[in-house]
Amino acid sequence: EPEVTQTPSHQVTQMGQEVILRCVPISNHLYFYWYRQILGQKVEFLVSFYNNEISEKSEIFDDQFSVERPDGSNFTLKIRSTKLEDSAMYFCASSLGTAREKLFFGSGTQLSVL
Amino acid sequence: SQQGEEDPQALSIQEGENATMNCSYKTSINNLQWYRQNSGRGLVHLILIRSNEREKHSGRLRVTLDTSKKSSSLLITASRAADTASYFCATEGTGFQKLVFGTGTRLL
Repeated sequence: EPEVTQTPSHQVTQMGQEVILRCVPISNHLYFYWYRQILGQKVEFLVSFYNNEISEKSEIFDDQFSVERPDGSNFTLKIRSTKLEDSAMYFCASSLGTAREKLFFGSGTQLSVL
Repeated sequence: SQQGEEDPQALSIQEGENATMNCSYKTSINNLQWYRQNSGRGLVHLILIRSNEREKHSGRLRVTLDTSKKSSSLLITASRAADTASYFCATEGTGFQKLVFGTGTRLL
């Protein structure tokens, strides 16, 4: 079965540094998402992306965050200047249609900000 | 907020027993989905029930939806050790461009 792949699986960075989390969504999917989950807590929506632009974003997704689909396969999340509270598991997801259809999630990138 | 709330937060049962988890949400929905997460890994879609459906089955899973009460339940029959995971309900948010997840039930 096709799957969403995320790299790296773990990322450790210093506070204030920039990080880029990478995702390869399922090839024929059109909608892409980033979610995050702080250890043991709820899964929080960050941003959705369709037709090469952001369709919706949450309050968490401030100016420090950006997303990009630099080519036909990759979907990236950049955090410009990481804070301690950005430490979380970041999940990429994709879907063929809108959120009325099921989402396929990657295995996540565990980001630790020191 | 669209966010669902699962109940109970944690559930511990014996192998072979049935497990029931409940989800409540706040606004009108088009569909409700259930996902499973093993030990902080990615979420896996289990089942989707549309707002005009009242019950749906998939293998050992049975989902019900009561739109008048804005609630759903997930029943796992004849549970196995491998069912140990967190289970989340999710509803689509405004503009249909995101899924909003509930707080989850940890099943042991």
